[in-house]
Amino acid sequence: AQSVTQLGSHVSVSEGALVLLRCNYSSSVPPYLFWYVQYPNQGLQLLLKYTSAATLVKGINGFEAEFKKSETSFHLTKPSAHMSDAAEYFCAVSEAFDSNYQLIWGAGTKLIIKP
Amino acid sequence: DGGITQSPKYLFRKEGQNVTLSCEQNLNHDAMYWYRQDPGQGLRLIYYSQIVNDFQKGDIAEGYSVSREKKESFPLTVTSAQKNPTAFYLCASSKRTSGKYNEQFFGPGTRLTVL
Repeated sequence: AQSVTQLGSHVSVSEGALVLLRCNYSSSVPPYLFWYVQYPNQGLQLLLKYTSAATLVKGINGFEAEFKKSETSFHLTKPSAHMSDAAEYFCAVSEAFDSNYQLIWGAGTKLIIKP
Repeated sequence: DGGITQSPKYLFRKEGQNVTLSCEQNLNHDAMYWYRQDPGQGLRLIYYSQIVNDFQKGDIAEGYSVSREKKESFPLTVTSAQKNPTAFYLCASSKRTSGKYNEQFFGPGTRLTVL
């Protein structure tokens, strides 16, 4: 079974600083990877997804993620943090169960923006 | 606008009572899911359904039940057998479960508190 590890349950950055949220996966086959964002007391919203078309994936709100097969990583970055980026971020990998695909979720990383 | 609605947003239950959480989607998606979210644990799959009148247990189905009588609706009942039901419940849908990069769309969630 695949697994997803998000390093750091909380990450704190200053407004205007680089955001880096880490995600590592375990997979023996080419993975399909997702990043979602959750604002307090809301549902999840898709930020971006990797489907093997390009290793650098651009998403909404200025976020992007780079797929690195050699490192089994799919880290999320944003050049300059904004107060509105404060939220919880989840990495997920698509895994096959019989003929169906389910998402395997990381535990989430809460992003804190310091003024 | 297409989307997923969940009701109620907040729900309080006395111990020993069953409660039903509503989930409706107008995205014409075949697949629907219920997740439970607890702090620091990410999302855990309770049940999912690929088509009407069919559903499968997820990782933590004990103490929960579902039905899928209509494509648009996938209600979740939290029974008195669920030992620790206080949590945030998220409903999601996707076009199908057979696609690797089949992203899931989420509702706003229901926060259940047992008094």
